Amino acid sequence: NFMLTQPHSVSESPGKTVTISCTRSSGSIASNYVQWYQQRPGSSPTTVIYEDNQRPSGVPDRFSGSIDSSSNSASLTISGLKTEDEADYYCQSYDSSNQVFGGGTKLTVL
Amino acid sequence: QVQLQESGPGLVKPSETLSLTCAVSGYSISSGYYWGWIRQPPGKGLEWIGSIYHSGSTYYNPSLKSRVTISVDTSKNQFSLKLSSVTAADTAVYYCASCGSYYEYWGQGTLVTVSS
Repeated sequence: NFMLTQPHSVSESPGKTVTISCTRSSGSIASNYVQWYQQRPGSSPTTVIYEDNQRPSGVPDRFSGSIDSSSNSASLTISGLKTEDEADYYCQSYDSSNQVFGGGTKLTVL
Repeated sequence: QVQLQESGPGLVKPSETLSLTCAVSGYSISSGYYWGWIRQPPGKGLEWIGSIYHSGSTYYNPSLKSRVTISVDTSKNQFSLKLSSVTAADTAVYYCASCGSYYEYWGQGTLVTVSS
């Protein structure tokens, strides 16, 4: 089994850009797609990035995803931060038979 | 639009079996997708419990595998979760979700508390 490690929290000001990392403990980050989910308090998660860097319809292009094989990590970047982006963000990936969520990152926009 | 709705007891006694059902509307389970269960303890992160393919193939979190059973009932267009020998650590919001390339559709979640 592998783990996905995220920072516990990040904060940034409105209008700025923030990047949240997700590091895979074993196996290549490039071997299986990474997804990113946004969860606001009291709500179910919603997808903001799938298959490493794809945005579902309706997700603004301020959200982007990437992977870096050298650090075996994935990143979610949110530009032009808005107060409505304040939420918990989870990365998720899988291997042959298991799915794994990262521990989540609380984004504060202040 | 695919909709999912969890149902089941909100309170389960320790050592008993937690049973939840997820009713799917707007899409036929037998048409495809994986159907999964994910839980979230209060104030904590998401944990994948397991998934089932429409054909019945199942995949479980290794840490829960000995206690989990996920099944599908295509005639009722629903799938179910059973988690045996529960303890307080199993107290969580339980979500059902559909998974093609990603978990696209989620239920609203149901809180299950394990307590005597």
